[in-house]
Amino acid sequence: LAKTTQPISMDSYEGQEVNITCSHNNIATNDYITWYQQFPSQGPRFIIQGYKTKVTNEVASLFIPADRKSSTLSLPRVSLSDTAVYYCLVGDLASDYKLSFGAGTTVTVRA
Amino acid sequence: GAVVSQHPSWVICKSGTSVKIECRSLDFQATTMFWYRQFPKQSLMLMATSNEGSKATYEQGVEKDKFLINHASLTLSTLTVTSAHPEDSSFYICSARDEAGGLFEQYFGPGTRLTVT
Repeated sequence: LAKTTQPISMDSYEGQEVNITCSHNNIATNDYITWYQQFPSQGPRFIIQGYKTKVTNEVASLFIPADRKSSTLSLPRVSLSDTAVYYCLVGDLASDYKLSFGAGTTVTVRA
Repeated sequence: GAVVSQHPSWVICKSGTSVKIECRSLDFQATTMFWYRQFPKQSLMLMATSNEGSKATYEQGVEKDKFLINHASLTLSTLTVTSAHPEDSSFYICSARDEAGGLFEQYFGPGTRLTVT
């Protein structure tokens, strides 16, 4: 499993865009990048997944440069309810299915 | 989306007793489920991989005789904490792998808060 590095914490205000960058320098060819969100005392919730370039869904965008050694999760116009821990995970979904969670990034959104 | 449930959501037990936690995939079949443990202010730590119809695979440092895992059907895995002690108090989370359609997404349960007194 590729090791990931994320900022420990980030602060933001309501309505702002939050970008969390994850470094994964030893990502393998078959690895996908997946982001999860976790609220206190709840299980993680899938946010978005991608392999290269850009992926967008109804809640976030994921930007992956050509070398795939990093990725950026973008949360547009955050609200107080987006305060949570965000985890970046890298792995081969088909075979390497044991998810290894790093420390994650605690995002705090203030009014 | 796929839903994974856990029961109970919280449990308090006395030291020395055993407690069973259930994990169910409600709308999909899961040949593989996972059990995690999370201590306060820490990340999730994978404890074991639960395989339907076969023995679970435990991560290094996890006592298989203390944390008994049974995956008797494609929708149910159970984790039994035997002879629980206060240091076993933690948040236990399961996940199930949905392999349908080749997406290989993992869905997490809501977690079970175990407190051993």
